[in-house]
Amino acid sequence: AQSVTQLGSHVSVSEGALVLLRCNYSSSVPPYLFWYVQYPNQGLQLLLKYTSAATLVKGINDFEAEFKKSETSFHLTKPSAHMSDAAEYFCAVRPDDQGGKLIFGQGTELSVKP
Amino acid sequence: DTGVSQDPRHKITKRGQNVTFRCDPISEHNRLYWYRQTLGQGPEFLTYFQNEAQLEKSRLLSDRFSAERPKGSFSTLEIQRTEQGDSAMYLCASSLMGNTEAFFGQGTRLTVV
Repeated sequence: AQSVTQLGSHVSVSEGALVLLRCNYSSSVPPYLFWYVQYPNQGLQLLLKYTSAATLVKGINDFEAEFKKSETSFHLTKPSAHMSDAAEYFCAVRPDDQGGKLIFGQGTELSVKP
Repeated sequence: DTGVSQDPRHKITKRGQNVTFRCDPISEHNRLYWYRQTLGQGPEFLTYFQNEAQLEKSRLLSDRFSAERPKGSFSTLEIQRTEQGDSAMYLCASSLMGNTEAFFGQGTRLTVV
């Protein structure tokens, strides 16, 4: 079965520092991969997605992620953290094109210190 | 396009009562999904519809849960005889078939007391 593992349930960075949130997936075939952000008591907002085109994917708010098939990873980065980036981040995989359901990781809470 | 809308946003109910949630997807989207998210966890897939047909149900969807999408537009999720373990955020999402992106609503937070 497909699964997603997010390393680190909580990451804390200083404002202006690099953000790195880790995601590894298990998949026997190249999947579709996503990063979502969730603010308290809100739904999920798509940050970026990988759909087998370029391996380096750029998203909103200067976030980007790199698909590395050899490492089965899809880590999320942002060069400079902003206070407004504090939120919960979820990595998700869509195993195939039938149905479109998503399998989510457990999430990583990002804190940004002033 | 007003996005995916869910109603109510919050629901507090007593154990044993029935509750129903509504989801209005983006108007042209033919796929609609329900997820459940408990505290500190990622969303878990419950079920999805393509137009009015319910095509997949997770084993998480016990007999007390039922979902409908009668005319292929809005959907309802009913929980009968609620239990404390049903307390969670219930998220609805919609997408176009063949499109990779799903759009989420703001969720309905259920608290069973």
